[in-house]
Amino acid sequence: AQSVTQPDIHITVSEGASLELRCNYSYGATPYLFWYVQSPGQGLQLLLKYFSGDTLVQGIKGFEAEFKRSQSSFNLRKPSVHWSDAAEYFCAVYLQTGTASKLTFGTGTRLQVTL
Amino acid sequence: GAGVSQTPSNKVTEKGKYVELRCDPISGHTALYWYRQSLGQGPEFLIYFQGTGAADDSGLPNDRFFAVRPEGSVSTLKIQRTERGDSAVYLCASSVQGYTEAFFGQGTRLTVV
Repeated sequence: AQSVTQPDIHITVSEGASLELRCNYSYGATPYLFWYVQSPGQGLQLLLKYFSGDTLVQGIKGFEAEFKRSQSSFNLRKPSVHWSDAAEYFCAVYLQTGTASKLTFGTGTRLQVTL
Repeated sequence: GAGVSQTPSNKVTEKGKYVELRCDPISGHTALYWYRQSLGQGPEFLIYFQGTGAADDSGLPNDRFFAVRPEGSVSTLKIQRTERGDSAVYLCASSVQGYTEAFFGQGTRLTVV
């Protein structure tokens, strides 16, 4: 069965510092991968997605992620974090087999930004 | 509509009561999903509709949970005989048929007391 692991429950970075959030997946085929962000009391907003092609994908708000098949990873990065980036970040893998179609999410990484 | 709309935004109910949670998907989206997010966890899949039919309900935890989408647009998640363990945020998402990008609503926070 597919699964997603986000090893870091909580990360704190200083404003202006770089950021990398880790995501590892377990899936038998080429995955469709996503990163979502959730601010307090808000729904999930899509940051970026990987379906195929270039393994470095650009998203909104200055985020990017790199798909590495050999490491089964899809880590999220940002060169310079802003205080407004403080939120919960979720990595997800999409599965469609037969009539099944769903996203499987990791447990999330909570990002705190210090000024 | 502009986005996925869920009502109510908050619902407090007593243990044993029946509740209904509503989801209005983005116009034209034929795929609709329900997820449940418990505190400190990622969203967990409950059910997937393609049009009016439930194509995959493997995530529903037990027979107290049921969802419908009679006209292929609005969906209602129904929970009978609520238990305190049902307390969570229930998220709805929709997507264009055959396309994997799902757009989420802001969720309904259900509290069972």
